[in-house]
Amino acid sequence: VQLVESGGGLVQPGGSLRLSCAASGFSFSIYEMNWVRQAPGKGLEWVSYISSASGGIFYAASVKGRFTISRDNAKKSLYLQMNSLRAEDTAVYYCAREMSDSIGYALDYWGQGTLVTVSS
Amino acid sequence: QSVLTQPPSASGTPGQRVTISCSGGSSNIGTNSVNWYQQLPRTAPKVLIYSNSQRPSGVPDRFSGSKSGTSASLAISGLQSEDEADYYCAAWDDSLNGRVFGGGTKLTVL
Repeated sequence: VQLVESGGGLVQPGGSLRLSCAASGFSFSIYEMNWVRQAPGKGLEWVSYISSASGGIFYAASVKGRFTISRDNAKKSLYLQMNSLRAEDTAVYYCAREMSDSIGYALDYWGQGTLVTVSS
Repeated sequence: QSVLTQPPSASGTPGQRVTISCSGGSSNIGTNSVNWYQQLPRTAPKVLIYSNSQRPSGVPDRFSGSKSGTSASLAISGLQSEDEADYYCAAWDDSLNGRVFGGGTKLTVL
């Protein structure tokens, strides 16, 4: 299983950025996926969730209306479109696979993260 | 301010048993299961415990989890130097309609 994020970088406040997460080594289309971020020196913050067929989507209140999660199962890729970026969005963004079994669920595989810096 | 409350730090000596608490409310821990994640320095998080007390394959049985009411705990027995890391609890929150993480606990092995 491998998850590789890309698309991070430096962007000015109010700008946009699109993150990608390329999946390999598993059947991407049957797994739910998440984005989780971590500001420098801070804790983890869940950002967004998307179900396997994109029928269920949820966002953290801090990004709702500004960020859009999507996926392309044919390309085995997860995306995060980030608009109206703010300084407080500066963080390492991780994509994470969600596994579920008869007992429960967990974010069982994580990418290495991509750094987004919002600054003028 | 995180929805789930964890102590910012914990410590123990090698071989000791330490516990890390996670306090929430009726809309998250009180209703939904708790997961625990370990983040070693400069690495991505790794799941330690899911569904309150289940260990994924490969996680040593030194790690155990429990839940009671609106609180959960992670216990680490036989503490080792490689356990020095940040630990996070997480749960789904029905009121927020999203996942929430605790603020994290930095574990130091003395």
